[in-house]
Amino acid sequence: NAGVMQNPRHLVRRRGQEARLRCSPMKGHSHVYWYRQLPEEGLKFMVYLQKENIIDESGMPKERFSAEFPKEGPSILRIQQVVRGDSAAYFCASSPEQGADGYTFGSGTRLTVV
Amino acid sequence: GDSVTQMEGPVTLSEEAFLTINCTYTATGYPSLFWYVQYPGEGLQLLLKATKADDKGSNKGFEATYRKETTSFHLEKGSVQVSDSAVYFCALSDIQGAQKLVFGQGTRLTINP
Repeated sequence: NAGVMQNPRHLVRRRGQEARLRCSPMKGHSHVYWYRQLPEEGLKFMVYLQKENIIDESGMPKERFSAEFPKEGPSILRIQQVVRGDSAAYFCASSPEQGADGYTFGSGTRLTVV
Repeated sequence: GDSVTQMEGPVTLSEEAFLTINCTYTATGYPSLFWYVQYPGEGLQLLLKATKADDKGSNKGFEATYRKETTSFHLEKGSVQVSDSAVYFCALSDIQGAQKLVFGQGTRLTINP
């Protein structure tokens, strides 16, 4: 039973490029959450999705960031026109039902913008 | 809004020492409380949790008790090992079953042999 799979593990982008981060939830999990961890800080909630729906995006920056969780395939966090301040670790978590009690985190994608 | 405050790190101890990492929270309602551990280069793993006042969560020798009167959830271990070296995060969910976690800033723990 594979855990939450995130890829790539490390991603380097030049300023102005696009970054696409993928998250495959655990089998049977239909709820996905994205968090961002800036250097030496805790994780900050970004967005919560169910299949084909964004439920809560209150933590997403208003511009350049978007997320989706299609009916088939992984959840994607997309960052357009990246800037140095986007450099961070991005973690995905999944759960079988709504609620933080059942979270399983992936190993994260470490984005570096040069 | 809801918030979590952890004791400042880094914390360095010798093997077999007693560990306490303080965590206090501010929340409306009655949150669930969690401790997560992050080993170098990895994601977060749930260490323990408590869902109501006076509950004690425990795992791998770590314990934490949900104290509503002091709004605290301090992490303790009686005898630490080198393998416990990691970053520890205290977190809360705003209401039980809610969909998002609020994290503290993390405490880096190093155990020397």
